Amino acid sequence: DTAVSQTPKYLVTQMGNDKSIKCEQNLGHDTMYWYKQDSKKFLKIMFSYNNKELIINETVPNRFSPKSPDKAHLNLHINSLELGDSAVYFCASSTRTSVPETQYFGPGTRLLVL
Amino acid sequence: DQQVKQNSPSLSVQEGRISILNCDYTNSMFDYFLWYKKYPAEGPTFLISISSIKDKNEDGRFTVFLNKSAKHLSLHIVPSQPGDSAVYFCAARGVTGGGADGLTFGKGTHLIIQP
Repeated sequence: DTAVSQTPKYLVTQMGNDKSIKCEQNLGHDTMYWYKQDSKKFLKIMFSYNNKELIINETVPNRFSPKSPDKAHLNLHINSLELGDSAVYFCASSTRTSVPETQYFGPGTRLLVL
Repeated sequence: DQQVKQNSPSLSVQEGRISILNCDYTNSMFDYFLWYKKYPAEGPTFLISISSIKDKNEDGRFTVFLNKSAKHLSLHIVPSQPGDSAVYFCAARGVTGGGADGLTFGKGTHLIIQP
């Protein structure tokens, strides 16, 4: 059973389109995250979401918006896609009752904007 | 501005020998350090962590050492096995990336274990 899953695994789309990436975790965790790994291989936090509290990395454009229908899901919506959005996006989850708060990652979604 | 640095993009080690992966950080407010391992086309998986109040943590073949005065940590793998070939990310917790409550990652070191 996959602990953190993401769909789709690959996403190829045109500039200007709007797309969504879904994330689900079955670990019973209370916090979920989105990370972006760019072409230089840096993994950078985009958002964290805990108990309806959303904390946003101030460097993330507002074209990106996370949506959490429930504790097990944190989807990422991207409006007006740009070439620079091409990257691998990782979802992760953790529970704040564990020390350290180890994050478990999904397999990633490879987004290519043409 | 990189707060967590892994200056070796790759490292090649012979099977059975010790692998030492290094990581430097700039922010003394980090309270936990973690190592993640990543295979191609998969997400990072947690390997081992250390609290900033300790200087060593061991788990089987993996040991992490922390030198707070030097703001340096290292991951030792001994003996190295072929399945250890992967990209290893050093990560730190305690200072948010622009406000978001997540881990700050280094760029990764690609470890190659040679038979």
